[in-house]
Amino acid sequence: KAGVTQTPRYLIKTRGQQVTLSCSPISGHRSVSWYQQTPGQGLQFLFEYFSETQRNKGNFPGRFSGRQFSNSRSEMNVSTLELGDSALYLCASSLDDRPGHTGELFFGEGSRLTVL
Amino acid sequence: GESVGLHLPTLSVQEGDNSIINCAYSNSASDYFIWYKQESGKGPQFIIDIRSNMDKRQGQRVTVLLNKTVKHLSLQIAATQPGDSAVYFCAENPSTGNQFYFGTGTSLTVIP
Repeated sequence: KAGVTQTPRYLIKTRGQQVTLSCSPISGHRSVSWYQQTPGQGLQFLFEYFSETQRNKGNFPGRFSGRQFSNSRSEMNVSTLELGDSALYLCASSLDDRPGHTGELFFGEGSRLTVL
Repeated sequence: GESVGLHLPTLSVQEGDNSIINCAYSNSASDYFIWYKQESGKGPQFIIDIRSNMDKRQGQRVTVLLNKTVKHLSLQIAATQPGDSAVYFCAENPSTGNQFYFGTGTSLTVIP
């Protein structure tokens, strides 16, 4: 069974640009979460999608957005990039097959974004 | 936001010894916890999880202990091997849905 796949793995952008990152969850997983990882702040929750709906959202500005498609694949977008957005962006999927039963997260290898 | 902290940012152990990594969590309502291992250049890898209705869970060479009274979580690795060298994170889930709060991580170095 293939794991969580994230693309691109590495990218460089300049301030003011926007970026779109993609995530393909493990087959059958309907929940997709996004996390930002930086040396200073660690792993911080961005948002979670389930059945194409945003179910949870972290404390990030509106420049960070996401969506989920009917096949559970997800994308996140960061607009008007700032230097501080340089980070490893991790996607995680979960089976989440029972209401109220949080499942383990399986992470992808991440997309490393550098903003110059 | 939530606070999940680690007592020690770095830990060095001799190969073959046991390792103990500690974690303090802040939300008494958290009912699900996971330990992750992250190697350089890779995403976090699931090690073991525990729900709040348990105080101990064992896996292969790993044991997680949960003390809800003091909101403390620990990961014990038996017979630590060089391949165990990585950063270890604890994560707590305080609600339904997959929103997890992660600790800052402990870097484990195994000395051959």
